Amino acid sequence: GESVGLHLPTLSVQEGDNSIINCAYSNSASDYFIWYKQESGKGPQFIIDIRSNMDKRQGQRVTVLLNKTVKHLSLQIAATQPGDSAVYFCAEAITGGGNKLTFGTGTQLKVEL
Amino acid sequence: DAMVIQNPRYQVTQFGKPVTLSCSQTLNHNVMYWYQQKSSQAPKLLFHYYDKDFNNEADTPDNFQSRRPNTSFCFLDIRSPGLGDAAMYLCATSRGNSREQYFGPGTRLTVT
Repeated sequence: GESVGLHLPTLSVQEGDNSIINCAYSNSASDYFIWYKQESGKGPQFIIDIRSNMDKRQGQRVTVLLNKTVKHLSLQIAATQPGDSAVYFCAEAITGGGNKLTFGTGTQLKVEL
Repeated sequence: DAMVIQNPRYQVTQFGKPVTLSCSQTLNHNVMYWYQQKSSQAPKLLFHYYDKDFNNEADTPDNFQSRRPNTSFCFLDIRSPGLGDAAMYLCATSRGNSREQYFGPGTRLTVT
């Protein structure tokens, strides 16, 4: 399944399928991006990050892709599991912005059995 | 395990009655942040401390204040809570110039 985070806040996928969560950013000065997973009633949990000098980074079952040309970021989750159900936020930091992160709208991922 | 701790997890206060939320961390990070998160929305940064230096966001209401007595603890004071201040309040930390932030579990504030 595939979503555009800003326009489709809920993504439903079947267990075992791959999930793609998208995020658009507008600030060309952003040089660092991070994905967080937030389960209901909990704080955001770090998933993966990527710097602007890279276009792909892989973790365990997750891959982040960065397309600076169109200011687009995506999170791919392989073999989605019920435990992946959560809200996913992308966040960006800009050069010279100190430690501050600006969070995107978020996408609710629902995994159907 | 090193972590960010927030107490209480749930807080109920009355309209206009001052309330303090607390955050502590065992990560020895020098930067601490407070975010407000309303239902189905992204976390919104209220302010942060870089060491002892306080950095307030331009749109944070004066009703919100913060104190950081030492590296490990940071408090969020809401002087006169309104119904619109009901939200999840998240504390986060980071180290040095790293942009990776570690979040606590949050305190859910209800205003009656």
